[in-house]
Amino acid sequence: EVQLVESGGGLVQPGGSLRLSCAASGFTFSNYEMDWVRQAPGKGLEWVSYIGSSGNTIYYADSVKGRFTISRDNAKNSLYLQMNSLRAEDTAVYYCARGGYCTGGTCYYLNAFDIWGQGTMVTVSS
Amino acid sequence: EIVLTQSPGTLSLSPGERATLSCRASQSISSSYLAWHQQKPGQAPRLLIYGASSRATGIPDRFSGSGSGTDFTLTISRLEPEDFAVYYCQQYGTSYTFGPGTKVDIK
Repeated sequence: EVQLVESGGGLVQPGGSLRLSCAASGFTFSNYEMDWVRQAPGKGLEWVSYIGSSGNTIYYADSVKGRFTISRDNAKNSLYLQMNSLRAEDTAVYYCARGGYCTGGTCYYLNAFDIWGQGTMVTVSS
Repeated sequence: EIVLTQSPGTLSLSPGERATLSCRASQSISSSYLAWHQQKPGQAPRLLIYGASSRATGIPDRFSGSGSGTDFTLTISRLEPEDFAVYYCQQYGTSYTFGPGTKVDIK
């Protein structure tokens, strides 16, 4: 079964740090681009960050640039999000999502975001 | 940044009725990289439609997508009880943005 499972969420004080993980199974992780998307309580979806299949290409939303770092370990089939200098407005459920499929140096992302994890809650509060 | 606007904000319908949801982009979306996701309370989003009109794996054919450029539509031909949820459009042609969502609730 194709699956993404996030972990690492919790309660953290403003200014603190947290590292989220996303474990992938059921597919060849190293062939896929990956993304983090978050959802504040009662709000809509907000894209957070993207990483290419090899980890060489990375993008961030302006709201997290300079504070969050995305990374991946293809040998461990895992995606990560290191979150520093956390603010109250970072409080949200964080989802990892599968992006485009890459093969032979070409990536196909027409059906990106086809698999989502169940999410992990991050609460930033004193 | 491409801004997506969804209308209506809430759609109140009865099971068996047809639902028509709109998504409008602030500028043309390249190569129709427009998706629709369904989200039920307490659950992760689920991809319904990608490339503006292609159904994702396992999605029933009562769901259909159409449109190009800046105007897109998700149609649910006959609402089933499990279809009452929030629907988000997403563009992924130029970075990534989501619309604010349309809630389809039971009338």
